[in-house]
Amino acid sequence: EVQLVESGGGLVQPGGSLKLSCAASGFIFNNFAMNWVRQVPGMGLEWVSFISANGDRRYLADSVKGRFTISRDNSKDTVYLQMSNLTAEDTALYYCARDPWAAAGNWFDPWGQGTLVTVSA
Amino acid sequence: EIVMTQSPAILSVSPGERATLSCRASQSVSTNVAWYQQRPGQAPRLLIYGASTRSTGLPARFSGRGSGTEFTLTISSLQSEDFAVYYCQQYNNWPPFTFGQGTKLEIK
Repeated sequence: EVQLVESGGGLVQPGGSLKLSCAASGFIFNNFAMNWVRQVPGMGLEWVSFISANGDRRYLADSVKGRFTISRDNSKDTVYLQMSNLTAEDTALYYCARDPWAAAGNWFDPWGQGTLVTVSA
Repeated sequence: EIVMTQSPAILSVSPGERATLSCRASQSVSTNVAWYQQRPGQAPRLLIYGASTRSTGLPARFSGRGSGTEFTLTISSLQSEDFAVYYCQQYNNWPPFTFGQGTKLEIK
């Protein structure tokens, strides 16, 4: 069964940092690009970041550029999102989602269950 | 950035009836559109990609169509489990990938 499990969320103060992880199982991880998508509770979906299967292509949404970094460890079947200089606007449920291909951006399937990040003093 | 606009924001339909959800792109995205369903407390689930291709195991009552800037998701004969929020997404011009704001399908 293909599965994505996010972890690392929590309560952090404004200006703080947090590193999210997404552990994959049930498929050959290094054959697929990965994404992070976030959702403010009760609101819509916002794409955050993309990383290709071998990590050579990485993209970030303008709203997080310069503050967030995406990476992956194919030996651990895990993708990460390092978040720094966090603000209240980053409060959201963060999902990781698999791309159907190695390097081209497409649709997202499947999605993990998400990890909640709350930025508050 | 391509803006995806969904309508209506809320759609009230009776079980067993048909629902048609719309999504408009601010510029042509060819057929590079996906649709997702999100039930309360759950992660989004892929329904349709390539504007009209159903994901594995998706019931045939779900269908998507469109190209260019106009897209629709139709659910024939609504079942209780179909009442949820639906999002469209474009992947033609990225980054960024962009989503519509969602249509809530509620029981009439």
